[in-house]
Amino acid sequence: EAGVAQSPRYKIIEKRQSVAFWCNPISGHATLYWYQQILGQGPKLLIQFQNNGVVDDSQLPKDRFSAERLKGVDSTLKIQPAKLEDSAVYLCASRPWRDTEAFFGQGTRLTVV
Amino acid sequence: KQEVTQIPAALSVPEGENLVLNCSFTDSAIYNLQWFRQDPGKGLTSLLLIQSSQREQTSGRLNASLDKSSGRSTLYIAASQPGDSATYLCAPQMYSGGGADGLTFGKGTHLIIQP
Repeated sequence: EAGVAQSPRYKIIEKRQSVAFWCNPISGHATLYWYQQILGQGPKLLIQFQNNGVVDDSQLPKDRFSAERLKGVDSTLKIQPAKLEDSAVYLCASRPWRDTEAFFGQGTRLTVV
Repeated sequence: KQEVTQIPAALSVPEGENLVLNCSFTDSAIYNLQWFRQDPGKGLTSLLLIQSSQREQTSGRLNASLDKSSGRSTLYIAASQPGDSATYLCAPQMYSGGGADGLTFGKGTHLIIQP
């Protein structure tokens, strides 16, 4: 069974530029999450999708971050404009439904200079 | 708001030892708790999922216990090996209404197994 796929693996941008990350969850998984992991910290939830609808974006900095999940499958997370403090690993995870195991992708490491 | 604490923050032991990693959480109204390992520069690998109705879950040399009422979980690693070196993260899952059920993470325990 293929895992959660993310791209790119690494990205370096200058502050005030924009960047986008892509995630392809495990086939059939209705729930998709984006997490931000700053160095030395545990992952922090940014947004949760159920199929193609947002169910939790309470911790998403909406002035600069946006995310979408078209057709309830792939998802993209965008940052515009980026700040230095956005340097982190962005992780995508999916699960079939509530109470089941969540699976994570390899993450995208973003460096903002 | 759920808060997760993991003790110790770091641990270094010789190969072959049995060890226990501790996780505590502030809100006991959880559905399940998942343990992960994270290797440097990698994503999270799921180790065990323990449901709120369960007391223990085992996978190979790993055993996770859950005491939901006291807000505690432990991960027991038997006969540790150098390949077990990684950061271990626990994450309780809560249902917050409206379908929101994201995992909450602590900072993890950084484990080094000395050959």
